[in-house]
Amino acid sequence: SQTIHQWPATLVQPVGSPLSLECTVEGTSNPNLYWYRQAAGRGLQLLFYSVGIGQISSEVPQNLSASRPQDRQFILSSKKLLLSDSGFYLCAWSARGSRTDTQYFGPGTRLTVL
Amino acid sequence: AQSVAQPEDQVNVAEGNPLTVKCTYSVSGNPYLFWYVQYPNRGLQFLLKYITGDNLVKGSYGFEAEFNKSQTSFHLKKPSALVSDSALYFCAVRAPAAGNTPLVFGKGTRLSVIA
Repeated sequence: SQTIHQWPATLVQPVGSPLSLECTVEGTSNPNLYWYRQAAGRGLQLLFYSVGIGQISSEVPQNLSASRPQDRQFILSSKKLLLSDSGFYLCAWSARGSRTDTQYFGPGTRLTVL
Repeated sequence: AQSVAQPEDQVNVAEGNPLTVKCTYSVSGNPYLFWYVQYPNRGLQFLLKYITGDNLVKGSYGFEAEFNKSQTSFHLKKPSALVSDSALYFCAVRAPAAGNTPLVFGKGTRLSVIA
């Protein structure tokens, strides 16, 4: 069966510090991968999605970036964090090539920027 | 453009009563529709989806949803609510012509089941 991991689970970082959040998927190949941010326990904001290694689509211009160095690894980064970057970050995957397929979410990373 | 609306920010229901969480959508063509649930500080969990066929879809934890094309709705229902159903619920949609693109999510509805 497929599993999706995110780490760290929680993170407290000062303003201006760098960020690296990691997401990995097991049990599948060539997945589509997604990064979302959720603020204040409400709606989801799609940040990035990837349909393959090195292929990243950015949905929201901001100080975050994403990379996919391996097929099942998706990394969210920032060079300098802002207070507004605080939130709950969710990674998700779905099977490539299937329009009907479900997106499956990881456990999330709670980021607090102080 | 695809969109989904969840008109209620909060739904309160007594334990044992039926519950409904509303969702309406706007897409071109026949939609693919999904429901997810999120418990505090957890990721979203898939509940059910409608792709084609029977308009009544059954999912996890006793939930079901009814696809209504004329009303462009996909309301989530459960005959008897449990306190443990209290959570944040998201409806999502993808248009068939949208290819392999991310789901479009509603803003979420917080369900509170009161004992």
